[in-house]
Amino acid sequence: DADVTQTPRNRITKTGKRIMLECSQTKGHDRMYWYRQDPGLGLQLIYYSFDVKDINKGEISDGYSVSRQAQAKFSLSLESAIPNQTALYFCATQWGPDTEAFFGQGTRLTVV
Amino acid sequence: SQKIEQNSEALNIQEGKTATLTCNYTNYSPAYLQWYRQDPGRGPVFLLLIRENEKEKRKERLKVTFDTTLKQSLFHITASQPADSATYLCALKGDYKLSFGAGTTVTVRA
Repeated sequence: DADVTQTPRNRITKTGKRIMLECSQTKGHDRMYWYRQDPGLGLQLIYYSFDVKDINKGEISDGYSVSRQAQAKFSLSLESAIPNQTALYFCATQWGPDTEAFFGQGTRLTVV
Repeated sequence: SQKIEQNSEALNIQEGKTATLTCNYTNYSPAYLQWYRQDPGRGPVFLLLIRENEKEKRKERLKVTFDTTLKQSLFHITASQPADSATYLCALKGDYKLSFGAGTTVTVRA
């Protein structure tokens, strides 16, 4: 089993719908991140959390919200999906500030 | 504002040659810099971490340098192979969080 698991792997949704992307990890890491990737733009940080009670906005948080339900679970929600949120979404975990990050397999989201 | 910039153009090289990728940063004072590999449609995978007091680090055919004066890291793939074809990302810790460059795509021709 993967250390960082994202569900679903692929999703097509309609404009205006609410959608949740889930991330769970078995690494025991406190630090968790949500990134969005668009072709040519690299990884853009949406939200990050350093423990269950610590949630921080990243560079592109507008239109997104998150929930850290437990150390192992970090969910990303799109309250009202729009087509320009079509992208590849990655969850990542990290043990400490100067350690490697572990990424999930990604969720490919299409908003039509 | 903080920026991480990598070679914007894709790199196409012949098998056996050395690929050199550049990562430049502004308004960061990183204690370390990381490099990742990403294959299409998959999550990035960690390759190497180099600290500010390390000028050079090697792992098999990979070599990374880190010049905090120039605010630059160079990533070398020596004796390149077609299996090295991928996108390579550099990453820095800024304001407590991990931020990435846009990546450089490398294609190695057999």
